[in-house]
Amino acid sequence: DVKVTQSSRYLVKRTGEKVFLECVQDMDHENMFWYRQDPGLGLRLIYFSYDVKMKEKGDIPEGYSVSREKKERFSLILESASTNQTSMYLCASSQTPGLADTGELFFGEGSRLTVL
Amino acid sequence: AQSVAQPEDQVNVAEGNPLTVKCTYSVSGNPYLFWYVQYPNRGLQFLLKYITGDNLVKGSYGFEAEFNKSQTSFHLKKPSALVSDSALYFCAGVSGTYKYIFGTGTRLKVLA
Repeated sequence: DVKVTQSSRYLVKRTGEKVFLECVQDMDHENMFWYRQDPGLGLRLIYFSYDVKMKEKGDIPEGYSVSREKKERFSLILESASTNQTSMYLCASSQTPGLADTGELFFGEGSRLTVL
Repeated sequence: AQSVAQPEDQVNVAEGNPLTVKCTYSVSGNPYLFWYVQYPNRGLQFLLKYITGDNLVKGSYGFEAEFNKSQTSFHLKKPSALVSDSALYFCAGVSGTYKYIFGTGTRLKVLA
């Protein structure tokens, strides 16, 4: 069974702390994504990566960075957490649409971050 | 700009009745279209997809979706709703390689 695993389901951090959210996929997918989900705003793309050590900014990259040192792992980093980063964070992976796959996203269970 | 719209924040339906959750898209080229479902405090689960071919796509849990190119719509349907179908539903599209575009979600409430 395909799997995307996010290391922490629930986190509580203080303003100014550095936060790491880890994501691992076991499907050998090329692409990995970090989204945040807020009520009424749907899913917004923070960063994505289409290969090891490659990253691209999404729609809301400010205040975040990412790391992809290995194909299966994609980390989201909040350098200095702020209260407006309280949210649900979703990691996803996919093969590239149009190649040997139809490109649906596989999601992790989510990490709910609260910044106090 | 490319977009996916879900015009209803919430849909209420009685158990046993047919349900429809609406989605319209503005995605360039020949988009791939998807429906996902999210239960409380969980990630999104894939339901079904349209790539090409038959306009009626069947997916998991008895759901289906109808692709209509002229109306640029991809509505999610089920002939007979269950209370357990109550969840948040997202429509999404992708054209090209990485830019997945999500709607804002529709909360489906099935009343017993």
